[in-house]
Amino acid sequence: DIVMTQSPDSLAVSLGERATINCKSSQSVLSSSYNKIYLAWYQQKPGQPPKLLIYWASTRESGVPDRFSGSGSATDFTLTISSLQAEDVAVYYCQQYYSTPHTFGQGTKLEI
Amino acid sequence: QVQLVQSGAEVKKPGASVKLSCMASGYTFISYNIHWVRQTPGQGLEWMGILDRYEENTLYAQKFHGRVTMTRDTSTGTVYMELSSLRSDDTAVYYCARGGSDSSGDYYSNWGQGTLVTVSS
Repeated sequence: DIVMTQSPDSLAVSLGERATINCKSSQSVLSSSYNKIYLAWYQQKPGQPPKLLIYWASTRESGVPDRFSGSGSATDFTLTISSLQAEDVAVYYCQQYYSTPHTFGQGTKLEI
Repeated sequence: QVQLVQSGAEVKKPGASVKLSCMASGYTFISYNIHWVRQTPGQGLEWMGILDRYEENTLYAQKFHGRVTMTRDTSTGTVYMELSSLRSDDTAVYYCARGGSDSSGDYYSNWGQGTLVTVSS
């Protein structure tokens, strides 16, 4: 199984400042055949299901504010929130969908 | 709009089975994979398995092999997940999620609201 490890486990950022969350996979999730990175980011607020933010490592889901961006290579990935808003307080998860079992990182709790 | 509506909370005794439902609407049901994911405080998000859009193929996480069964009813657009031989550590919120199609990757673009299953004697 591919192990996904996020850092940090929790993060406190001031309003308007940049937040950066890292994710590392134990194996490459880059498909050389399709030249795509099979990595997604989700946001989860209390009492709600996860919400897709980013897929293919850097493609923003429709309706997601452009302050959210994703980047990365075959095994190292970053979610960046360029200017933190109060509504961004949540837990963020990375996930690989390159191979089953699809695995998630342990989550990063983002606070103000 | 795409919606996945899950069945209500369940309380079960150890050793029992539970069957959860997930009714899909707003898209062509048979064109997308459906995944089941559970969430426990201690384990985070845990993938349980996939009901593939092609011919109802299923693939389950090794951890749940022999205990989980995923099925679908195309006439109602509903997917079911049955988990048997329940233990206290199966207490969790269970989610269904819409995965990929022929034209998209298997990321989870839509999620059900979740169903809390409590296993207690």
